[in-house]
Amino acid sequence: DAGVTQSPTHLIKTRGQQVTLRCSPKSGHDTVSWYQQALGQGPQFIFQYYEEEERQRGNFPDRFSGHQFPNYSSELNVNALLLGDSALYLCASSLQGGGDEQFFGPGTRLTVL
Amino acid sequence: RKEVEQDPGPFNVPEGATVAFNCTYSNSASQSFFWYRQDCRKEPKLLMSVYSSGNEDGRFTAQLNRASQYISLLIRDSKLSDSATYLCVGGLGGSQGNLIFGKGTKLSVKP
Repeated sequence: DAGVTQSPTHLIKTRGQQVTLRCSPKSGHDTVSWYQQALGQGPQFIFQYYEEEERQRGNFPDRFSGHQFPNYSSELNVNALLLGDSALYLCASSLQGGGDEQFFGPGTRLTVL
Repeated sequence: RKEVEQDPGPFNVPEGATVAFNCTYSNSASQSFFWYRQDCRKEPKLLMSVYSSGNEDGRFTAQLNRASQYISLLIRDSKLSDSATYLCVGGLGGSQGNLIFGKGTKLSVKP
């Protein structure tokens, strides 16, 4: 039973560029949430996708957008990258109605130069 | 005020010690609580859920006090492998599915 997978594992971009991160949820899960974790901080909620729609959003600018596909996998897109976007981006999967437990993928470490 | 606050740490303890982590939350609408463990440069992993009645899993005991909006984690007979950052987490439940993380408390268990 595959857990949550994310790609790529590492990414280096320059300011102003755009990036797309990908996530496949745990088998049987239908909901994907994205978090940003800066160094020395706890993860911060970006948004959550269920039934291919953004259901909830944290305090992040519109430069952060996402998508969920019919197979429940998801993408996180960040436009006009800033130095401050450098962080570990974590995808978490869960099951709607299954409680609040979320299972995290290994993350994508993004460095913006 | 942050929604979830934890002891700043770091905690440096010898093997076999008992360690207690404390956490407070400000959103009284929070319905569920968890402790996650995060190893260096790895993803957070669910350690245990926290219930008002208290729950125990081997050497780990978690407690929730809703009246005081306080959560605790006790680790008994600490092992070297317990070294990690421990994240206190609250969830609003229902359609509010996001988790709110504390900053984390780093634990180092020394031989």
